[in-house]
This record gives sequence, C-alpha cells and structure tokens, in this order.
Amino acid sequence: GQQLNQNPQSMFIQEGEDVSMNCTSSSIFNTWLWYKQDPGEGPVLLIALYKAGELTSNGRLTAQFGITRKDSFLNISASIPSDVGIYFCAGPLGSGNTGKLIFGQGTTLQVKP
Amino acid sequence: NAGVMQNPRHLVRRRGQEARLRCSPMKGHSHVYWYRQLPEEGLKFMVYLQKENIIDESGMPKERFSAEFPKEGPSILRIQQVVRGDSAAYFCASHREDRDYEQYFGPGTRLTVT
Repeated sequence: GQQLNQNPQSMFIQEGEDVSMNCTSSSIFNTWLWYKQDPGEGPVLLIALYKAGELTSNGRLTAQFGITRKDSFLNISASIPSDVGIYFCAGPLGSGNTGKLIFGQGTTLQVKP
Repeated sequence: NAGVMQNPRHLVRRRGQEARLRCSPMKGHSHVYWYRQLPEEGLKFMVYLQKENIIDESGMPKERFSAEFPKEGPSILRIQQVVRGDSAAYFCASHREDRDYEQYFGPGTRLTVT
C-alpha cells in the first residue's frame, strides 16, 4: 500500500538554526501538503504544493515539490521556540481525487532557547 | 469565521459503552473527513462525507463504527461497544469546494477507553 516516510523522525536544535526535513512517497503525487501539529491540537496547514519543482514560502517556511513527484522538502529558517511541534507531510490517498489524505509519521522538532 | 469545531475534546468510556463524537465543519464547507491518530503516529483516514451522503468509508472498520452527516447539525462519528484499542485522537477536517486537499482540522476528540 501507499507509504510516506519522513526524515528525520526527530530533531533537537538550537534557536536560530535552520531546519530541513523531507518526505518520500512510494507513489507519485500531484499534490503535497505540510502540516504542523502542536500538543493537544489538530494539524494546521502550512503549505500546499501542486506542481513538480514548485517552491513555495510561508514566512520562514519554504517547501518544495520534488521533481520526481515522489518527494517533498520543508525548510524552516532561523528557528524560534514556537516552531516546536510535529511536522507532517501529506498527499492524496489512493486514486479518484476524493480529497482523502495519507500522512507521514511526522518529524518532531524541539528548539532549545 | 469559526474554524472546525469538535466536541467533546476529551471522552472517557468503559469497555462496551458507546462513544459519540461530533464535528461541525467551517462555515460554508460541506465536505467532512474523519481521521484517527494513534499515539506517536500520523493521522489515518477513516471516512469522507458530504451532507446526507457517505462518499468513501474505506478507512473505517466494518464493525462497530458508523458515521453520518445529516442535513442539519454536525457530523457524528459513532463507535459502539468500545474496546481499549479504540483509544486514540479522532480529528475531523473540512475544505472549500475547490480545494479538496487543503483541509482544515478541528482540535480533535481524545477518546480513552478504560
């Protein structure tokens, strides 16, 4: 079945450092999404990508839709304590364009002030 | 504009009881998705509904689980005769008509089965 693998599983960095994480799919995607989840809350959409090679920014966050359409990358520049949380990549589950999503297992980010 | 609302936020049930989870999508959204999240894992799709219709329930267990989204009122995820393995966070999400994958999530219901 479909799988999304995120790397790394967790990161512990110093405030001010840049962060890079990636997500690899077992199948080709036409849409990639990145979400952040704070403890006890639901995921919040950060960035949506629709085209291979696309690079999209949202403040200090930048995400890229890989050329192979089987991977995506998220970078956070100049990290701050409120960046702490779990970052999930997601993409379309199955065929049929129904909107249902498959999620990676998440990358847990901890930031040391 | 209120976001996706879910209640209750926390629910404790004994084995064998029923759990009812409610979700009100964002105003103007008519598509609702339910996902389940086990500890230390990503979210797993369960069911997709539009008003009065179940569109895709391929991720929902065949027994004990049911979902509805009536013409009036919130979407309901119902779990009958709960077991310990049902303990999880249940999230619902909704989206605009032309943005199927840009889903907005509620805060979730954390179900604990004792």
